[in-house]
Amino acid sequence: DAGITQSPRHKVTETGTPVTLRCHQTENHRYMYWYRQDPGHGLRLIHYSYGVKDTDKGEVSDGYSVSRSKTEDFLLTLESATSSQTSVYFCAVAIGGGLDEQFFGPGTRLTVL
Amino acid sequence: KNQVEQSPQSLIILEGKNCTLQCNYTVSPFSNLRWYKQDTGRGPVSLTIMTFSENTKSNGRYTATLDADTKQSSLHITASQLSDSASYICVVRPNSGNTPLVFGKGTRLSVIA
Repeated sequence: DAGITQSPRHKVTETGTPVTLRCHQTENHRYMYWYRQDPGHGLRLIHYSYGVKDTDKGEVSDGYSVSRSKTEDFLLTLESATSSQTSVYFCAVAIGGGLDEQFFGPGTRLTVL
Repeated sequence: KNQVEQSPQSLIILEGKNCTLQCNYTVSPFSNLRWYKQDTGRGPVSLTIMTFSENTKSNGRYTATLDADTKQSSLHITASQLSDSASYICVVRPNSGNTPLVFGKGTRLSVIA
């Protein structure tokens, strides 16, 4: 599992509330990613980080923000959750670019009522 | 637009039988193509990786092929086991800077006794 943990693993929340998901890694990988996975869609990139305090948007970044204040932690925040953000969220890490493999965490299942 | 299309969407086979999953992509230029296996409730795990110059790669009972001219890849599973039941995802890395990975929607394989 490349030393990746995600918390919480499951969460149910209400529309309009803020939600923060945490990804923690223990192997000092430089790159970290947040994806969402929905039925009928492939994994879609939300945001990614290429170092402490260095982040960039992915293809579905609206409604999400991220922060990376330490190498080992990458936080995903839904400022005001909506039902369309009900999904399974995966964190991934990689050493670098090129042929480098992305290692995925176990996922967080988020339900917004 | 960079796209990855996988077929079939789902497949049911008997234990011990072989099967082949297909992946067609429009990503160009591309750096490499990976096949991931995703067990239910888990994150994806890489099975094989091929660059544009490779046309076959094996990992135990899994053999991936790549035809860069026709932009097609396949994953062949030999002598299937119940533990092969999972989603198989084709992922293409574009060869252009920080362009994100392009994920297929996956093929859901069920192996039954």
